Amino acid sequence: NAGVMQNPRHLVRRRGQEARLRCSPMKGHSHVYWYRQLPEEGLKFMVYLQKENIIDESGMPKERFSAEFPKEGPSILRIQQVVRGDSAAYFCASSPQDPGQGVVTYGYTFGSGTRLTVV
Amino acid sequence: GENVEQHPSTLSVQEGDSAVIKCTYSDSASNYFPWYKQELGKGPQLIIDIRSNVGEKKDQRIAVTLNKTAKHFSLHITETQPEDSAVYFCAAPVASDYKLSFGAGTTVTVRA
Repeated sequence: NAGVMQNPRHLVRRRGQEARLRCSPMKGHSHVYWYRQLPEEGLKFMVYLQKENIIDESGMPKERFSAEFPKEGPSILRIQQVVRGDSAAYFCASSPQDPGQGVVTYGYTFGSGTRLTVV
Repeated sequence: GENVEQHPSTLSVQEGDSAVIKCTYSDSASNYFPWYKQELGKGPQLIIDIRSNVGEKKDQRIAVTLNKTAKHFSLHITETQPEDSAVYFCAAPVASDYKLSFGAGTTVTVRA
């Protein structure tokens, strides 16, 4: 049973380009969470998605960032017109439960992350 | 300010000694406190967690204690080994039952 799969592992983009980060949740999981880790810092919540639905995007920057989790295929975190400050590790986690049952009761399973470098 | 504060930021211990990392949280409604270990180039891995209905939980060389009154919880690693060297993060739910607020991390180095 594969874990949470993220790709690419490393991504280099020039300022102004677009970055697309992909996350395939664990088999049977239908809830995906994206977190960002800046150098020397802890993880910061960005967005929580279910299939075809954004539940909580309170941690997403208002501009240039978007996320989706289509009915088929992986979840995508998209960053348009990247800037140097977007350089970070982006982690995806997944869970199987409806939040009404207390998803954190089960703990998150994180992927290995995508390390974005903007040059 | 930060919902979860973590100390120390770095910790160097001699192999075989104990390591203790402490965290405080602000949301009194928090009821679940996980600890993650992150090795270089990898994602965070859950190593132990504790729920608010218990004060202590142990798993081999790792233990976590919780003081809900004082709103702090601690990770204890006994008989440290070189493979314990990593960054450790504490976390707590914030304003939801799905969103975690993480501490800034503790870099633990175990000296052989």
